[in-house]
Amino acid sequence: EAAVTQSPRNKVAVTGGKVTLSCNQTNNHNNMYWYRQDTGHGLRLIHYSYGAGSTEKGDIPDGYKASRPSQENFSLILELATPSQTSVYFCASGDWDWGRDTQYFGPGTRLLVL
Amino acid sequence: GDSVTQKQGQVTLSEDDFLFINCTYSTTTYPTLFWYVQYPGQGPQLLLKVTTANNKGISRGFEATYDKGTTSFHLQKASVQESDSAVYFCALVKYNVLYFGSGTKLTVEP
Repeated sequence: EAAVTQSPRNKVAVTGGKVTLSCNQTNNHNNMYWYRQDTGHGLRLIHYSYGAGSTEKGDIPDGYKASRPSQENFSLILELATPSQTSVYFCASGDWDWGRDTQYFGPGTRLLVL
Repeated sequence: GDSVTQKQGQVTLSEDDFLFINCTYSTTTYPTLFWYVQYPGQGPQLLLKVTTANNKGISRGFEATYDKGTTSFHLQKASVQESDSAVYFCALVKYNVLYFGSGTKLTVEP
């Protein structure tokens, strides 16, 4: 069964602190994504990756870094967290080859920056 | 750039009512379009997909038709149930990246 897991599921951080959100997928998908979800904005793309070692900027990358050390893992890093980064973060993996057109999301991480 | 637009932020219906959620898209190509559904406390999940080849998608009683003339991609259901209460997103894919609309929150009252 296709699976994307995220950790932690909930996180409270202090302003200026470093936060790392982790994502793991067992779907063997090349593509992975980080989105944030805020009321009224839907899902906005932060960073994505086409495979191990690659990261690409999405629509709102400022204040975030990403790391893809392996096919299965994709991390989102907030070096200096700010209250404006309080949000729900979703990781996803996707396969768009040969018309498969599939993207699976994780359960989300709630981040509160105080 | 490529985008999708959902103007209906919230829709409230009674059980057995007809559902219609509007979505328009903007792109220079003929994209593959999607509807995703998100239940409380969960990540979005795929509801249905429509391509230029088939023009229509049907899943779990929901139907969406791709209209290239009006660049629209509406979601319909003949008779909603309380269990359909969720947030619905339309999306398009380009270069292996999904771009989402802002979502429509559907509340179905018993």
